Amino acid sequence: DTGVSQDPRHKITKRGQNVTFRCDPISEHNRLYWYRQTLGQGPEFLTYFQNEAQLEKSRLLSDRFSAERPKGSFSTLEIQRTEQGDSAMYLCASSLVGGPTYNEQFFGPGTRLTVL
Amino acid sequence: GESVGLHLPTLSVQEGDNSIINCAYSNSASDYFIWYKQESGKGPQFIIDIRSNMDKRQGQRVTVLLNKTVKHLSLQIAATQPGDSAVYFCAERAGAQKLVFGQGTRLTINP
Repeated sequence: DTGVSQDPRHKITKRGQNVTFRCDPISEHNRLYWYRQTLGQGPEFLTYFQNEAQLEKSRLLSDRFSAERPKGSFSTLEIQRTEQGDSAMYLCASSLVGGPTYNEQFFGPGTRLTVL
Repeated sequence: GESVGLHLPTLSVQEGDNSIINCAYSNSASDYFIWYKQESGKGPQFIIDIRSNMDKRQGQRVTVLLNKTVKHLSLQIAATQPGDSAVYFCAERAGAQKLVFGQGTRLTINP
């Protein structure tokens, strides 16, 4: 499968614990995005990377959230001291700037987080 | 601020009929619009896109119409099939790279 992959697909954790999610983008894509989606809503932008540089962060990304893309390939999203309100689907997307698809974003299957 | 909304949260159509899903957006600076399909437990799947310099774009069984005067976007699905059942989102982008999604319309196909 050469699409965007995310791991784990599901995560159940207790309030106060830290969790980390991983995203592997399409291999030649230079941009990587994180979104959060709650039930019945559309995805909401969290942050994005151009190669290894984090270029924009949403105000939704509180201090408890941190994202990295150390080598410009895979990315991790960590949530510290999880709260019940963090329960959501965390989606990763990637795109190729300058390619023929006008920066079309391809989404992964998401990681569903449940905070008890 | 940016906001994208949908006129109807649910839509039921008969198999074989055409479906029309509508979307309103508020940011007149948006220059790129996309329709995504999301099935249960999966990430959004790209359907079709349109740039702001176009009014209409056609794909396989799908057509997107853009009316910039009233800030309205629609997705038409021809000859709707059971596999079209999903939640459909419109999204916009205004220069910056993030997408702003609407709330979604759940399309249900009746046999």
